Amino acid sequence: QKEVEQNSGPLSVPEGAIASLNCTYSDRGSQSFFWYRQYSGKSPELIMFIYSNGDKEDGRFTAQLNKASQYVSLLIRDSQPSDSATYLCAVTGSGANNLFFGTGTRLTVIP
Amino acid sequence: GAGVSQTPSNKVTEKGKYVELRCDPISGHTALYWYRQSLGQGPEFLIYFQGTGAADDSGLPNDRFFAVRPEGSVSTLKIQRTERGDSAVYLCASSLDSTGARAQYFGPGTRLLVL
Repeated sequence: QKEVEQNSGPLSVPEGAIASLNCTYSDRGSQSFFWYRQYSGKSPELIMFIYSNGDKEDGRFTAQLNKASQYVSLLIRDSQPSDSATYLCAVTGSGANNLFFGTGTRLTVIP
Repeated sequence: GAGVSQTPSNKVTEKGKYVELRCDPISGHTALYWYRQSLGQGPEFLIYFQGTGAADDSGLPNDRFFAVRPEGSVSTLKIQRTERGDSAVYLCASSLDSTGARAQYFGPGTRLLVL
């Protein structure tokens, strides 16, 4: 059973602060890692993906991957109220193309 | 360009009935995935297609669930003898191909309620 673990939150940060979202995974063979944002009542929306160890930046978002620790994180700089949503971590399993999702972390950005 | 579309957006049915859920992937995407999401949970994989064939159906919960993609584009998820536990949001996603590194893009989902 492939497992993806996330703190369900809620995580509350003030507007303008950095939000840090964390995810661990159990399958050491996982190769691809994705962060999705999901607003209430909507479907998941892709934010970022990362394949290699290290950091990947895209605008206010930075994904960090550490395969040795089986850990992936998402940093959101200058958080805005519109960032309030559930953030889903997803990984592909070794030999599989489908995604395994965590339960998501609910983020609230307080104006 | 147009994203993944799913119909219907909502479906209410009675226990024991048959339902079909439709997914139209992004044009040019050869891989298509079905997931199911229950309240408070992340999406759970059901089945994926590469072209017309089901490449992995290991997530289908039982033989009441079946999916087809006869022409390699639109897919239909079929649920026979629905049960109340089948109530969930059924999500379809597509990707350029089934290489594991490809990003999957989700449709708006079909909210199924079995009474």
